[in-house]
Amino acid sequence: DTAVSQTPKYLVTQMGNDKSIKCEQNLGHDTMYWYKQDSKKFLKIMFSYNNKELIINETVPNRFSPKSPDKAHLNLHINSLELGDSAVYFCASSQLAGIYNEQFFGPGTRLTVL
Amino acid sequence: KQEVTQIPAALSVPEGENLVLNCSFTDSAIYNLQWFRQDPGKGLTSLLLIQSSQREQTSGRLNASLDKSSGRSTLYIAASQPGDSATYLCAVKTGANNLFFGTGTRLTVIP
Repeated sequence: DTAVSQTPKYLVTQMGNDKSIKCEQNLGHDTMYWYKQDSKKFLKIMFSYNNKELIINETVPNRFSPKSPDKAHLNLHINSLELGDSAVYFCASSQLAGIYNEQFFGPGTRLTVL
Repeated sequence: KQEVTQIPAALSVPEGENLVLNCSFTDSAIYNLQWFRQDPGKGLTSLLLIQSSQREQTSGRLNASLDKSSGRSTLYIAASQPGDSATYLCAVKTGANNLFFGTGTRLTVIP
């Protein structure tokens, strides 16, 4: 069974469109994250979401909005897509409590904005 | 602001060699440090996690060390194999529960 899954795996769309990426984890974790990996392969945190609390990274444009219908899901909605949004987006999860807090990553969604 | 750097950016070694990957971070106030492996076009696989109170962790041919006070970690790979070829990323966890990633080291093990 896949621990952290994302859909779609690939997403190609036109500039200006609105799109969503879905993430689900079956690990029973209570914290989920979105990361962006740019063309230089640098991974950077976008959001972390612990139960009902969303922690927003200040460098993320407000066109990006995470939505969590429940603890096992954290979706990423992007409005008015721009060329610079092209990247690989990774979802991750972890247990907030406990000494380990290891983060487990999904397979990534490669977004290409034309 | 936490910054994580990995040296070298790329490394090629013949099969069977032992090798060391380096990771340094600027702010020692971390909860833990995690080493990942990323294969081309794939996701991240967690290799080792070292808590801030620990000095090293071992898994098979991999050994990771942590010197929190000096802001350094190393990943030692023994008897390298072609299947070890990948990009290796280190990441530190801060109080905000976020992971700050390094720039990665692309490893190629030549058969």
